[in-house]
Amino acid sequence: GESVGLHLPTLSVQEGDNSIINCAYSNSASDYFIWYKQESGKGPQFIIDIRSNMDKRQGQRVTVLLNKTVKHLSLQIAATQPGDSAVYFCAENIEDTGNQFYFGTGTSLTVIP
Amino acid sequence: GAVVSQHPSRVICKSGTSVKIECRSLDFQATTMFWYRQFPKKSLMLMATSNEGSKATYEQGVEKDKFLINHASLTLSTLTVTSAHPEDSSFYICSAMLRTGRSYNEQFFGPGTRLTVL
Repeated sequence: GESVGLHLPTLSVQEGDNSIINCAYSNSASDYFIWYKQESGKGPQFIIDIRSNMDKRQGQRVTVLLNKTVKHLSLQIAATQPGDSAVYFCAENIEDTGNQFYFGTGTSLTVIP
Repeated sequence: GAVVSQHPSRVICKSGTSVKIECRSLDFQATTMFWYRQFPKKSLMLMATSNEGSKATYEQGVEKDKFLINHASLTLSTLTVTSAHPEDSSFYICSAMLRTGRSYNEQFFGPGTRLTVL
């Protein structure tokens, strides 16, 4: 599968601060990306997605940025809350080749009250 | 809506036995489901794509005779770990694809099954 990796395996932030989680991907053909949140012992939950024809997409308290030039995407969480503590994965897909998603390494986010 | 369940949530078995894990889409039909494997503090590794009414498509390096996948209906896919060994101990997660009619299709994940092989 494609190689998707994350720069930081762990991240600790103070409650109320903003969090930035990074992801690098190696396949320039990837054109669809999803950020997932996974709490301990549970399956991943969809957070936000972005297509390669966009460089920014905003959701509720979350923003995803895509830089195709350097094959990098980031997830920004505003006003981080204790409930945001989880492992975050980026996953990439090449739409024309199917619906398979390949996951990155993951970043464990810990929010300090 | 779009709920995916897995059964069992946790299973412990002896080495050499086979274990079946079920993945069900509860409120939608899924012609395609996916099976992932996750080791502690590691990422999800795609094992195979389960296609209703046809053979599963396995990722490179995944033994199809070891991990048998059957997608017998539009709401059920099963993963059977045959002749399980301790190294098969892992967290197995399935996802079901919901065809939205848009240009992309969304995947919904099950809660996972923790397999421990003694």
